[in-house]
Amino acid sequence: EVQLLESGGGLVQPGGSLRLSCVDSGFSFSSSDMSWVRQAPGKGLEWVSAIQGSDFKTYYTDSVKGRFTISRDNSKNTLYLQMNRLRVEDTAIYYCARHSWASWGQGTLVTVSS
Amino acid sequence: EIVLTQSPATLSLSAGERATLSCRASQSVNYLNWFQQKPGQAPRLLIYDASNRASGLPARFSGSGSGTDFTLTISSLEPEDFAVYYCQQLSRWPLTFGGGTKVEIK
Repeated sequence: EVQLLESGGGLVQPGGSLRLSCVDSGFSFSSSDMSWVRQAPGKGLEWVSAIQGSDFKTYYTDSVKGRFTISRDNSKNTLYLQMNRLRVEDTAIYYCARHSWASWGQGTLVTVSS
Repeated sequence: EIVLTQSPATLSLSAGERATLSCRASQSVNYLNWFQQKPGQAPRLLIYDASNRASGLPARFSGSGSGTDFTLTISSLEPEDFAVYYCQQLSRWPLTFGGGTKVEIK
């Protein structure tokens, strides 16, 4: 069974930066497309960003374009999300997921507040 | 961006009743998933490609629809089915989720 483990969340001031990590313990990470999905407190799911396994092509939702960068290190089976110029509205639990969508991490909480 | 509209927002039913959840897309989509989420847990994939049950999913869950109109049906609610349900489209970037339907105990 594929297991995903996120880390890197925490409390940061508006305008600050954080880097989230997601370690994938399963097979075939390098060929798997991966996404970050977030959920603000008491709200629904919001897709944030994706990276393809084959060519590392990346995609973003409009609200994070130019501020967030998704990347991966296949030698470490790890997915990253570099978040810069954070805003209060970025406060959420951030999940990583394989694009089978059957495997999700437990989430890491990012709180942006002064 | 493809907008997914789920209805109703809340569904109040009793165990044993049938639940019918709707997901309407602003444009035609070819790939649609359904998820279940319980408090404090990550989403769980139920249905992929509109009508295919995920591994191990009980047969009381079924998905149907095509184009812009999709339905998740739970034929007879079990106590563990009371949760929030989301649809997701994977046909066009950006990927999008619906706003969710909460199935609560009446």
